[in-house]
Amino acid sequence: EVQLVESGGGLAQPGRSLRLSCVASGFTFEDYGMHWVRQGLGKGLEWVAGISWNAGNKGYADSVKGRFTISRDNAKNALYLEMNSLRGEDTALYYCTAGDFWGQGTQVTVSS
Amino acid sequence: DIVMTQTPLSLSATPGQPASISCKSSESLQHSDGKTYLYWYLQKPGQSPQLLLYEVSSRFSGVPDRFSGSGSGTDFTLKISRVEAEDVGVYYCMHGIRFPWTFGQGTRVDIK
Repeated sequence: EVQLVESGGGLAQPGRSLRLSCVASGFTFEDYGMHWVRQGLGKGLEWVAGISWNAGNKGYADSVKGRFTISRDNAKNALYLEMNSLRGEDTALYYCTAGDFWGQGTQVTVSS
Repeated sequence: DIVMTQTPLSLSATPGQPASISCKSSESLQHSDGKTYLYWYLQKPGQSPQLLLYEVSSRFSGVPDRFSGSGSGTDFTLKISRVEAEDVGVYYCMHGIRFPWTFGQGTRVDIK
């Protein structure tokens, strides 16, 4: 069974940092580019960041460029998102996705 | 960045009748490798998004054949040949030709 399990979300103050993790199972993780997608409450989907299978290519939405860093560890079947200088507009449910497969999401709330 | 524009933004469908959603991109989604990187997702109420179609018209595993995709270049269409009650939710198109990937605004489909 394919699973993507996100963790690391929570409440953070503006300007602080959080690190999201996603652990994959049930498919060959290193064969897939991976992405983070977020969704504000009642809003649409927003692609946040993506990373190629070997981490040789990374990309970011303009809204997070310079503040967020995506990385992966194929030996651990894990995807990460380091989020710095958090803002209120970063409040959302963050999904880890391989495109074909999606996790259930981890909630990030940025508030003082 | 490539802008993805969906129409309509909401649709009230009749069970057993066809329905279609349009998605237009601000640039061609045909890659130099010959593939066109246009995806369709459905997010059912309270669930994570699920992949319906990839590369314009290829159905993902388990997707019913009442879902079909067509188009090329910058104009794409998702068609449901006979809408069923389980098809309610928000449909998103997304491009994956280069970073940053972007989603359309979403089309909310409900049943009359």
